[in-house]
Amino acid sequence: DTAVSQTPKYLVTQMGNDKSIKCEQNLGHDTMYWYKQDSKKFLKIMFSYNNKELIINETVPNRFSPKSPDKAHLNLHINSLELGDSAVYFCASRALTSTDTQYFGPGTRLTVL
Amino acid sequence: GESVGLHLPTLSVQEGDNSIINCAYSNSASDYFIWYKQESGKGPQFIIDIRSNMDKRQGQRVTVLLNKTVKHLSLQIAATQPGDSAVYFCAENSPKAAGNKLTFGGGTRVLVKP
Repeated sequence: DTAVSQTPKYLVTQMGNDKSIKCEQNLGHDTMYWYKQDSKKFLKIMFSYNNKELIINETVPNRFSPKSPDKAHLNLHINSLELGDSAVYFCASRALTSTDTQYFGPGTRLTVL
Repeated sequence: GESVGLHLPTLSVQEGDNSIINCAYSNSASDYFIWYKQESGKGPQFIIDIRSNMDKRQGQRVTVLLNKTVKHLSLQIAATQPGDSAVYFCAENSPKAAGNKLTFGGGTRVLVKP
């Protein structure tokens, strides 16, 4: 199926650990994003990459580091996890066409204990 | 602060009735608006979009209205069905935003009563 996919879907870990979330899109899109959704459902952009180049970097702790090995993949690595990092993280992608629509992955629910 | 929507209000609607979800935005330079639907445990799903040169756009059972004068966006769902129960988000895009950054509203939860 053509889609934006993320792994893992659920991630439970201890404070202080380092973890990664992976995202892949097979839609042929050029731009990929990471969003964080808090417990109140508020969606906020974190990062955006266009053809492996970082173009959006919101005010996010430098413990969060995105990496794009190619334009179909955008991974999110988080160092020294904190309780406040618990949230649902969504990956999204967009094509460089006249539409600005972003297509979202299923999300990764991160729980930091 | 955030420019689109606020909080997470809830709209309860009887099955078969029409639903109207409202969204306010503050950036008059925004030129593109999207409505997303998010079901429990899933990612936001594109419903319908509208550009600022239009004031109305219709899809299948959904209509988006844009009032640029008062910076207001609404989503109308005709004959609401149980499968429409979800959280609905509006999002705006500013042409000056690098990388086409979407700013999301706080969402509205729609509960469809049988």
